[in-house]
Amino acid sequence: DVKVTQSSRYLVKRTGEKVFLECVQDMDHENMFWYRQDPGLGLRLIYFSYDVKMKEKGDIPEGYSVSREKKERFSLILESASTNQTSMYLCASRRAGGDTQYFGPGTRLTVL
Amino acid sequence: DAKTTQPNSMESNEEEPVHLPCNHSTISGTDYIHWYRQLPSQGPEYVIHGLTSNVNNRMASLAIAEDRKSSTLILHRATLRDAAVYYCILGSGGSNYKLTFGKGTLLTVNP
Repeated sequence: DVKVTQSSRYLVKRTGEKVFLECVQDMDHENMFWYRQDPGLGLRLIYFSYDVKMKEKGDIPEGYSVSREKKERFSLILESASTNQTSMYLCASRRAGGDTQYFGPGTRLTVL
Repeated sequence: DAKTTQPNSMESNEEEPVHLPCNHSTISGTDYIHWYRQLPSQGPEYVIHGLTSNVNNRMASLAIAEDRKSSTLILHRATLRDAAVYYCILGSGGSNYKLTFGKGTLLTVNP
């Protein structure tokens, strides 16, 4: 069974903190993605990585950075968390050229 | 990005078929039609996808109009576990990675 796991289901941080969200997939997929989901706005793509050490900005990259040092792991970094980054964060992976994205369970981040 | 239009919500009874419509009048020739669903407190999961022909899998069927400007996701016998938000998404053939999720249709299944 395919599996995408995220380091935390719930996270509470303070404004200005550096936040790391981790995503791991066990399917040897080349492509990995970070989305955020907000009520009324749907899912929006933050960053994606098409292979190790490769990354590309999505639709809303401002305030975020990413790291992909190993194929199975894709990290989302909030350099200085702000309250408007309170959201559900979803990670996904996909085989290169494949049609299906596999999503993790999500991390609900609250920034106080 | 080509857009899709779905009803905000639909209701069904358990063990009855459900037809979830999606309009995509600006679809391009290389756009695949994808359906994902999101159960409460979970990430989205893939349901089905197609390009031109109708498609069937163990979860659902996808009926695509001949002009490809609309499609219908068919759940043959709805169960309570099918209650979810269903997203109809267009992914371009050259960059299928980019899936733009809209608001989807909230499906309620009544026992």
